[in-house]
Amino acid sequence: GNSVTQMEGPVTLSEEAFLTINCTYTATGYPSLFWYVQYPGEGLQLLLKATKADDKGSNKGFEATYRKETTSFHLEKGSVQVSDSAVYFCALRGPGNQFYFGTGTSLTVIP
Amino acid sequence: GAGVSQSPSNKVTEKGKDVELRCDPISGHTALYWYRQSLGQGLEFLIYFQGNSAPDKSGLPSDRFSAERTGGSVSTLTIQRTQQEDSAVYLCATRRTGVRDTGELFFGEGSRLTVL
Repeated sequence: GNSVTQMEGPVTLSEEAFLTINCTYTATGYPSLFWYVQYPGEGLQLLLKATKADDKGSNKGFEATYRKETTSFHLEKGSVQVSDSAVYFCALRGPGNQFYFGTGTSLTVIP
Repeated sequence: GAGVSQSPSNKVTEKGKDVELRCDPISGHTALYWYRQSLGQGLEFLIYFQGNSAPDKSGLPSDRFSAERTGGSVSTLTIQRTQQEDSAVYLCATRRTGVRDTGELFFGEGSRLTVL
């Protein structure tokens, strides 16, 4: 079947720290992979995506590389800001236009 | 409209009552999804519409839950005889299809349902 497992939270970091949020997946075929972000009081929005192996998605200083050999799509940012405080969801697009989401990882960045 | 619009944003109801939640998609988005987000849980898939038909309704948790979509646009999720375990945020997401499909889901801000 298809599923996404992501790092448990919550995560608390100081401003300018390095961020990694782990995400691994199980899928049939070669799914597209996504990171969505949910800022406080807002709906989920796409942060970045990758559609095939070795693709790197990037946006707002965040990056994630589609690793087929380790079935992973870890989210990284070199220097987090207070404004990055949000909940981050890893997701994959499976067959039948179905999307599978992880449980979300809450990030708090303190000044 | 500019984005996916959901109403009501908040709904408090008594156990046993029926509730209707509405989703207005982005114009032209033919794919529409309903998810449920419970505290500390991920997004639980409920149902997927392509146009007015629902090729995948496998996530509806019980026969108390139903959804419809009319005119390929507005969708309504109905929960009958609500139970306390139905308390959650119900999210609607839409997607372009065909050659303009980027795979991106566009989410509304959700309808928070509290069943007392």
